[in-house]
Amino acid sequence: DADVTQTPRNRITKTGKRIMLECSQTKGHDRMYWYRQDPGLGLRLIYYSFDVKDINKGEISDGYSVSRQAQAKFSLSLESAIPNQTALYFCATSDGPRDRGRTEAFFGQGTRLTVV
Amino acid sequence: AQKVTQAQTEISVVEKEDVTLDCVYETRDTTYYLFWYKQPPSGELVFLIRRNSFDEQNEISGRYSWNFQKSTSSFNFTITASQVVDSAVYFCALSEAWNAGNMLTFGGGTRLMVKP
Repeated sequence: DADVTQTPRNRITKTGKRIMLECSQTKGHDRMYWYRQDPGLGLRLIYYSFDVKDINKGEISDGYSVSRQAQAKFSLSLESAIPNQTALYFCATSDGPRDRGRTEAFFGQGTRLTVV
Repeated sequence: AQKVTQAQTEISVVEKEDVTLDCVYETRDTTYYLFWYKQPPSGELVFLIRRNSFDEQNEISGRYSWNFQKSTSSFNFTITASQVVDSAVYFCALSEAWNAGNMLTFGGGTRLMVKP
């Protein structure tokens, strides 16, 4: 089984619908992240969490919310989906002390979301 | 603010050719970390290498090598004797140490196509 698991892997939803993307990890990492990938733009950070009580906005948080239900679970919600939220979404985890960026992030398999 | 630029959006080579993927970064921090990730057609992100700003030694791993030059803010990636299995999108990423986490700033990616 993958260390970082995202569900669903693919989803088509209608404009205005609420949708939740889920992420769970078995790596025991405290830090979890949600990124979005768009062609030509690479990955951009939506939200990140250092632990269950510490959640922060990333570069492109508008239109999204998150919930850290446990150390191992971090969900991303689109309250009212719109077509320009069509993208590939990645969850990631990492470990390491708070003031260092040296540890690589481990990514889930991605969730391909299409909003029609 | 940090920025990563991968000017080559697509590269096409014939198998066994050498190919270099360029990465140029911008950061105000004196301590930072650079990464390369591979995204094969299946979509997952595979970690390839991490380099910190204090270590300018080039690194070689099999057919892969990385050339880090602080003077030109570049962290280029060379594949020697390319193979069809190297076909993927490659991302360069930066993490600044002052960040309170391992948040990554990605370049737009370079799609490498290796033809038989």
